[in-house]
Amino acid sequence: SQKIEQNSEALNIQEGKTATLTCNYTNYSPAYLQWYRQDPGRGPVFLLLIRENEKEKRKERLKVTFDTTLKQSLFHITASQPADSATYLCALAIGGYQKVTFGIGTKLQVIP
Amino acid sequence: DGGITQSPKYLFRKEGQNVTLSCEQNLNHDAMYWYRQDPGQGLRLIYYSQIVNDFQKGDIAEGYSVSREKKESFPLTVTSAQKNPTAFYLCASSPGSGSYNSPLHFGNGTRLTVT
Repeated sequence: SQKIEQNSEALNIQEGKTATLTCNYTNYSPAYLQWYRQDPGRGPVFLLLIRENEKEKRKERLKVTFDTTLKQSLFHITASQPADSATYLCALAIGGYQKVTFGIGTKLQVIP
Repeated sequence: DGGITQSPKYLFRKEGQNVTLSCEQNLNHDAMYWYRQDPGQGLRLIYYSQIVNDFQKGDIAEGYSVSREKKESFPLTVTSAQKNPTAFYLCASSPGSGSYNSPLHFGNGTRLTVT
């Protein structure tokens, strides 16, 4: 079965720096990979999706890369702000959309 | 506003009782999902439904049951057979077939505590 590993359970960075979160997966290459943000006591909120034939995707201060050779996705938040503090989840699906598998998440803390 | 409503936000039950968690969506989505989230673990898929009157087991379906009689509603019953029912339960939806790669829209969860 597909396994997802996110680089660390917690990451602390200084405000204004770039946060980089890692998502590694095993076995089959997913058709696409998604990143979500989750705040305490709330449901995850979709941020970005990147397809297997895309190298990079951007949205405002967010950037996602996808390396199918390394079986890895990197999620970057540039010019980080305290409001970016949250848990970020990596998710992937193979082929269809039905069974989306999630990683444990990385808890990001941006320190003022 | 379109979205997913889960109720109640907090639910307390005694061991041995069945309990049903509500999930309603007004996004006109075909597919709906139930996930369970525990500390230190990723979201785990319990059940999913691609269309009304059809649903499939996810990775941890034992001790749970669902129904999909209406497009908008996908209630989850946690039965007394579920050994560790205390968890944060999340319902999600997506447009469904023909909308490949669509992200999931989540509700804000129900925290179930069984004592």
